[in-house]
Amino acid sequence: GEEVAQTPKHLVRGEGQKAKLYCAPIKGHSYVFWYQQVLKNEFKFLISFQNENVFDETGMPKERFSAKCLPNSPCSLEIQATKLEDSAVYFCASSFGRSSYEQYFGPGTRLTVT
Amino acid sequence: DQQVKQNSPSLSVQEGRISILNCDYTNSMFDYFLWYKKYPAEGPTFLISISSIKDKNEDGRFTVFLNKSAKHLSLHIVPSQPGDSAVYFCAASEGNFGNEKLTFGTGTRLTIIP
Repeated sequence: GEEVAQTPKHLVRGEGQKAKLYCAPIKGHSYVFWYQQVLKNEFKFLISFQNENVFDETGMPKERFSAKCLPNSPCSLEIQATKLEDSAVYFCASSFGRSSYEQYFGPGTRLTVT
Repeated sequence: DQQVKQNSPSLSVQEGRISILNCDYTNSMFDYFLWYKKYPAEGPTFLISISSIKDKNEDGRFTVFLNKSAKHLSLHIVPSQPGDSAVYFCAASEGNFGNEKLTFGTGTRLTIIP
């Protein structure tokens, strides 16, 4: 597609429950990025993929967070045993790579942990 | 530590005048800079970018200036229009291949007064 698609738009989970977020990058883009936006507009990089391979996971919390990009499937970000502090908007972005620096963002998934 | 800083949380400008948004960075390894615009409940939208080998890039009403020695960049919007009211984020990346994560500033809320 021509836009990055993210589902669901909103997700509410009780503390300790699992949350799974999905992202379909722009067709032809090789790189997928996940960012977490918490209070005060701060964007935190989580992880990036080059096609189905993890490219950079320096921002991923060591526990509870995992992500995948499998062929012919949307990419996913999964949080096991959610905590109140995981409440945030999670943005997915994709880019062509190969000296094209612009990342194009999806509309985000708002996760609320209660 | 905040490697990309936008020290003005908000800015109000009269319609038709010039809007100037500022951004400072501390990481000397950054060599590509981008500006994004964000409306509430939407993902960031790419506006304009600049490579560290340039000091100016222009696209329609938007111009970005880069002063490498001062580690400072600015976005000029002229003339400002009501539709420009949004939060503007400065972002930066290291490397030369277009596949690196973005480091964001905390944003400046621009309000255009009709």
